[in-house]
Amino acid sequence: GDSVTQMEGPVTLSEEAFLTINCTYTATGYPSLFWYVQYPGEGLQLLLKATKADDKGSNKGFEATYRKETTSFHLEKGSVQVSDSAVYFCALIGNAGKSTFGDGTTLTVKP
Amino acid sequence: DAGVIQSPRHEVTEMGQEVTLRCKPISGHDYLFWYRQTMMRGLELLIYFNNNVPIDDSGMPEDRFSAKMPNASFSTLKIQPSEPRDSAVYFCASRLLDRNEQFFGPGTRLTVL
Repeated sequence: GDSVTQMEGPVTLSEEAFLTINCTYTATGYPSLFWYVQYPGEGLQLLLKATKADDKGSNKGFEATYRKETTSFHLEKGSVQVSDSAVYFCALIGNAGKSTFGDGTTLTVKP
Repeated sequence: DAGVIQSPRHEVTEMGQEVTLRCKPISGHDYLFWYRQTMMRGLELLIYFNNNVPIDDSGMPEDRFSAKMPNASFSTLKIQPSEPRDSAVYFCASRLLDRNEQFFGPGTRLTVL
């Protein structure tokens, strides 16, 4: 079945540091790929998405590119802020419409 | 739109009691998902529906768990009898057939004593 593997956390960075959270996937066909963010005490919310190979999703300074050749969708941000502290989930939706999420990566940004 | 609505937001109960969690998806959405989130196991998909029909319930942990979707605007997740290991945050999410973004509710934090 489909699966998503993302970088284990927790990740701790200083403000303005560069962020990369790795995500790789296994799926048949051509899944859609997503990054969700969860702030403390809240539900998950969509951060960005890409629906086909070489698409780049971007939002709030975060970016991720759909790389079919490496089956990856790594999340990056050039300069993180304290307010970016949250749990980040990589996810895909496969051909059958089922969603598969990674285990989540906790990011803490210190001032 | 009010988004996905879940109730109650918090539930504290004693072992052996029946627990019912409720979800109202976003109007017009075709899919509804129930998830459970714990520190130990992360985010787990329990069951999902398409047009009110259960499609995949392979994530439901055991027979004590059941879910229904009697109409397009309401779903329940029931645990009977509840056990302390069921303590978790339960999320409901919905999405349109032709758009892949899922919209999550705020969750129900369940504590079973």
